[in-house]
Amino acid sequence: QITLKESGPTLVKPTQTLTLTCTFSGFSLSTSGMGVGWIRQPPGKALEWLALIYWDDDKRYSPFLKNRLTITKDTSKNQVVLTMTNMDPVDTAIYYCAHRHYHGTGSEYFDYWGQGTLVTVSS
Amino acid sequence: QSVLTQPPSVSGAPGQRVTISCTGSSSNIGAGFDVHWYQHLPGTAPKLLIYSNTNRPSGVPDRFSGSKSGASGSLAIAGLQPEDEADYYCQSYDSSLTGSNWVFGGGTKLTVL
Repeated sequence: QITLKESGPTLVKPTQTLTLTCTFSGFSLSTSGMGVGWIRQPPGKALEWLALIYWDDDKRYSPFLKNRLTITKDTSKNQVVLTMTNMDPVDTAIYYCAHRHYHGTGSEYFDYWGQGTLVTVSS
Repeated sequence: QSVLTQPPSVSGAPGQRVTISCTGSSSNIGAGFDVHWYQHLPGTAPKLLIYSNTNRPSGVPDRFSGSKSGASGSLAIAGLQPEDEADYYCQSYDSSLTGSNWVFGGGTKLTVL
């Protein structure tokens, strides 16, 4: 059974760096084909994909935020860490991590999600 | 503004059928990338509802169905039930000059009257 759980600060100040940790179980990120992504949802707005890391340490970032994002993995701890620099109140959102599933060329989706963690950016 | 376009809201009475569209472009759905659908209740994790255009994960009722045609996908919900009231998101993959990335629709709020 795959589970994921996000952890990190609930409140950050503008210009600070946010560090979120996704701790998962039920799979290994050292296994070929595995991937973990981060998605966020600002209050009243849509889901927005942020970043994804693959088993081979390949990393993908949202082209709109890539200058502020870094995603890393620690396979020994079953964790994925997302850092986002220069936080702003518009970054206030629920941040989710999710297991990425590969179903063939052109077909990738998120089949297991964490419960999410609300991050508020305010001075 | 989302890369994939969904109607902001749809509604239907219990027992009725509703459809939710997801319109993309030649860099995502129209390029052959699959459409996936999620059901999202406030305060909970999004739930995968349909994957690869038409497939239901185990445990999803067959009242939910998906389709794809050209640069658009569609989610149909038959026999509406009160517990279907939620937000629904489509998702695909986009490959353009700005890079390759996962994209979501703007979400559709389903109200069961």
